[in-house]
Amino acid sequence: NAGVTQTPKFRVLKTGQSMTLLCAQDMNHEYMYWYRQDPGMGLRLIHYSVGEGTTAKGEVPDGYNVSRLKKQNFLLGLESAAPSQTSVYFCASSYGRGGHGNQETQYFGPGTRLLVL
Amino acid sequence: GQQVMQIPQYQHVQEGEDFTTYCNSSTTLSNIQWYKQRPGGHPVFLIQLVKSGEVKKQKRLTFQFGEAKKNSSLHITATQTTDVGTYFCAGPFSNDYKLSFGAGTTVTVRA
Repeated sequence: NAGVTQTPKFRVLKTGQSMTLLCAQDMNHEYMYWYRQDPGMGLRLIHYSVGEGTTAKGEVPDGYNVSRLKKQNFLLGLESAAPSQTSVYFCASSYGRGGHGNQETQYFGPGTRLLVL
Repeated sequence: GQQVMQIPQYQHVQEGEDFTTYCNSSTTLSNIQWYKQRPGGHPVFLIQLVKSGEVKKQKRLTFQFGEAKKNSSLHITATQTTDVGTYFCAGPFSNDYKLSFGAGTTVTVRA
């Protein structure tokens, strides 16, 4: 049981390049989330998904797209990277409505450190 | 919109001393969660409080949920170097499973 995994762990991009961050969870969770973490600003929600095939915007969605084609995977895409997107990106998952015990408790992946030059 | 505020942003503690970090919400929360992130690591769930006035303890950590369910606190006694990290509180939006995270309290310990 690996929990939540993220690929890659670290990436350097040039302005304008694109990339996809992959998140996978093996806990059969319904809900998945993408956050970015910047110094002094805590965790800000980018996009989230309440189930396979569904996605929704969070607090800071501009410049990002997501897809949830399979329940266990949640992809975050940057179509044209900008220096302002330099950050640490965390994926998380939770049981969601109808789950077990603490439905909203979130389990985080190890993070992806992204540097945009 | 809903906002969760944490104070202080930084806490420098002498090893062996006690300290408290506070979390305040602009709206009533159905529950409050606390997470810990070690330097270079990822947030890890510590505890969830659900009931008004609830108090829970984990060894040297005491968590409290306010009577109005709009604030919470984390008190650490006899701080150790293993307590180093950032502590986040988080509360769900009403009727929703998204969490609003505070900015965190980053704790450093002087030996």
